[in-house]
Amino acid sequence: ETGVTQTPRHLVMGMTNKKSLKCEQHLGHNAMYWYKQSAKKPLELMFVYSLEERVENNSVPSRFSPECPNSSHLFLHLHTLQPEDSALYLCASSHKMALGQTNPDTQYFGPGTRLTVL
Amino acid sequence: GDSVTQMEGPVTLSEEAFLTINCTYTATGYPSLFWYVQYPGEGLQLLLKATKADDKGSNKGFEATYRKETTSFHLEKGSVQVSDSAVYFCALALKTSYDKVIFGPGTSLSVIP
Repeated sequence: ETGVTQTPRHLVMGMTNKKSLKCEQHLGHNAMYWYKQSAKKPLELMFVYSLEERVENNSVPSRFSPECPNSSHLFLHLHTLQPEDSALYLCASSHKMALGQTNPDTQYFGPGTRLTVL
Repeated sequence: GDSVTQMEGPVTLSEEAFLTINCTYTATGYPSLFWYVQYPGEGLQLLLKATKADDKGSNKGFEATYRKETTSFHLEKGSVQVSDSAVYFCALALKTSYDKVIFGPGTSLSVIP
């Protein structure tokens, strides 16, 4: 138990569906991340939110839409996905760099949502 | 650009064997280095980390030393157990506007009794 929860753990959806993935962290962190983990590929950073502002969007298609309503919650809204979007979607959180802090903080990961697009 | 390279495996070892998983990195500046582990059906968990040259991270019998001169952070364990079977990710982190973490491709380890 890392203090980061994700729901649902498994999701099967058709290409015309709309669904949302949810992530919640109970660690008091103020930065949250979405990663995509596909078979045979390195972990891909998708989005970063720091203090509830999006600070990174790694050329992710618009069919993925993130939302961070507060520092504890992060959503990934999905619509008109493609079969190649099937993957494990991981959420992570950390402390945002503070003034004078020189070392990046550890990221804590949730268990992931296994997404299958039919 | 910044990157992490690690042996891809899969690696299969007998119980109590010695483990080494090589990791090298390329980075501008002075990154922190991490090893994460992913057990089947779970997310990534931090295994150990080192924040500056010559630091040694250790946890659960695993060790890795931050070698700036060879830009390496090899993972070692003296005697592996079946429960160590997992995928191991080497990573570096840089301070930008956020904690930018770059992961290696992962090394799958299977330990057989």
